[in-house]
Amino acid sequence: RKEVEQDPGPFNVPEGATVAFNCTYSNSASQSFFWYRQDCRKEPKLLMSVYSSGNEDGRFTAQLNRASQYISLLIRDSKLSDSATYLCVVIGSNDYKLSFGAGTTVTVRA
Amino acid sequence: NAGVTQTPKFRVLKTGQSMTLLCAQDMNHEYMYWYRQDPGMGLRLIHYSVGEGTTAKGEVPDGYNVSRLKKQNFLLGLESAAPSQTSVYFCASSQAPDSGANVLTFGAGSRLTVL
Repeated sequence: RKEVEQDPGPFNVPEGATVAFNCTYSNSASQSFFWYRQDCRKEPKLLMSVYSSGNEDGRFTAQLNRASQYISLLIRDSKLSDSATYLCVVIGSNDYKLSFGAGTTVTVRA
Repeated sequence: NAGVTQTPKFRVLKTGQSMTLLCAQDMNHEYMYWYRQDPGMGLRLIHYSVGEGTTAKGEVPDGYNVSRLKKQNFLLGLESAAPSQTSVYFCASSQAPDSGANVLTFGAGSRLTVL
């Protein structure tokens, strides 16, 4: 079983729609969680950290569910510019090892 | 404000040739990493370094070597390139993971094709 798994998508949504997707992780001792965004043929860039209590950054909301071992990302009022691949990153508690998911592709259409 | 710079951006090699990818960061980060990204596989860690003069193996180290002679530079070498090493390579750097500032900053990537 992969350490971090994501639904690859693609999620094709119209502008203005809400889209949400999850990332599951296998190590229950994982301590830190992040969402990165990667545009086509570009490097990943940090989108947001995921806190235990959940957090928002504008139209983006991240949640952590430790009991079920997944994190989620919700995008409200989707824009064309939100089209990208979203990578989930999980950091272990003992060795601080970073594990990446393979990414979820979101395409927002006009 | 360069951040992380990788060179070269593109390279085509023949099987058996050797080459070195250079990564330079100007943020005084302790940790540096080399990843490869292949379709459907996500980012896989090749080697990493926790400080000047140190290196360690990641999950896919075979066929690669690294060196960190200076804190700001992390070199990735392919001794004898194979077609399976065709990939996009990303370098990244960060503060120490237990510093509370363990955000990765990536370079723009190096696209390597081995024929």
